[in-house]
Amino acid sequence: EVQLVQSGAEVKKPGESLKISCKGSGYSFTSYWIGWVRQMPGKGLEWMGIIYPGDSDTRYSPSFQGQVTISADKSTSIAYLQWSSLKASDTAMYYCARPGVVGASTAAFDIWGQGTVVTVSS
Amino acid sequence: DIQMTQSPSSLSASVGDRVTITCRASQSISTYLNWYQQKPGKAPKLLIYAASTLQSGVPSRFSGSGSGTDFTLTISSLQPEDFATYYCHQSHSAPITFGQGTRLEIK
Repeated sequence: EVQLVQSGAEVKKPGESLKISCKGSGYSFTSYWIGWVRQMPGKGLEWMGIIYPGDSDTRYSPSFQGQVTISADKSTSIAYLQWSSLKASDTAMYYCARPGVVGASTAAFDIWGQGTVVTVSS
Repeated sequence: DIQMTQSPSSLSASVGDRVTITCRASQSISTYLNWYQQKPGKAPKLLIYAASTLQSGVPSRFSGSGSGTDFTLTISSLQPEDFATYYCHQSHSAPITFGQGTRLEIK
């Protein structure tokens, strides 16, 4: 079964760092891009950026450039999303998702992780 | 960036109704338009890609149409499990963007 499994919920304080993960299985992890999508409480979906695990080519939305770092470890089939200094406004659900076309960074997302809730509060 | 505008933002309908949701792109995106369904507390689910192609396993009561800047998602006969929020998504060019969502509620 093709799936993306994300790490568990996190509760952090402002200024702390965080790295959440997304493990792919059931497919060739290095052949598909993996993207990250934010959903703030009660709001819509926002594309943050995307990485190609095959060569770590990474693209960011201008809205998130410099705010987060996306990485991937092809040896473990895990993609990561990290923050160096969290803000309260980073409180959200974060999804990883796979565009369903080999090598395509902008295809429809056919596989989604279950989401990771990040809560940032003092 | 390509802006995606959905209408309506919310919609009340009854089981058995035919429902149409529209999505407009701020510039032509050919047929690089996808539709997702999201239920509370769950990840989005791909329903339709390339404007009109039904994702495997999705019931045939869902259909999509359009090209260029104007697109529609139609549910031919609403079922109880269809009450959810629907998002359009353009995959024409980065940064990819989503519509703001249409919340479909039970009347």
